[in-house]
Amino acid sequence: EPEVTQTPSHQVTQMGQEVILRCVPISNHLYFYWYRQILGQKVEFLVSFYNNEISEKSEIFDDQFSVERPDGSNFTLKIRSTKLEDSAMYFCASSEGPGQPQHFGDGTRLSIL
Amino acid sequence: AQSVTQLDSQVPVFEEAPVELRCNYSSSVSVYLFWYVQYPNQGLQLLLKYLSGSTLVKSINGFEAEFNKSQTSFHLRKPSVHISDTAEYFCAVSAIGTGFQKLVFGTGTRLLVSP
Repeated sequence: EPEVTQTPSHQVTQMGQEVILRCVPISNHLYFYWYRQILGQKVEFLVSFYNNEISEKSEIFDDQFSVERPDGSNFTLKIRSTKLEDSAMYFCASSEGPGQPQHFGDGTRLSIL
Repeated sequence: AQSVTQLDSQVPVFEEAPVELRCNYSSSVSVYLFWYVQYPNQGLQLLLKYLSGSTLVKSINGFEAEFNKSQTSFHLRKPSVHISDTAEYFCAVSAIGTGFQKLVFGTGTRLLVSP
């Protein structure tokens, strides 16, 4: 069964540094999402992306965050200048269309020191 | 806006016993409903979905959930659990017809199955 893959599985970064989290969505999916889960808290929506542009973003997704689909397969989340509070598990998801189930990757655990 | 409430943060149960994990939601518009399961050190896997039609939906591994519109609930049930069902279970909703339908999650319920 096709799956969403995320790399790296764990990223450790110094505060203030830039980090890029990578995702390869399922190949025939057109809608892409990033979520995060701070330890012990609920999974929170960050951003959705369709047709090479952001379709919706949460208040968490401020100017420090950006997303990109640099080629036909990858979908990336960049945090420009990381803060301690960015430490979380970041999940990428993709779906065939609106209302269709979203399929998640295994996540990237981001630790900011 | 939507919100999801999972009142039970942890549910301990013995193997082969029945279990119900509760989920209630709040929304001013109609929603799709989902249950996701997260095994240790893994991502979220879709367990069940309700999009339309029969209000009782079933998974291949014995779980079922029933959409109750009047009670705004989507409780997850299994008549007989296995040790391997130990995991975190998340209820989620997405609003119908409003953009690209982000998922709004509950806080999760940790199911602990013991022998």
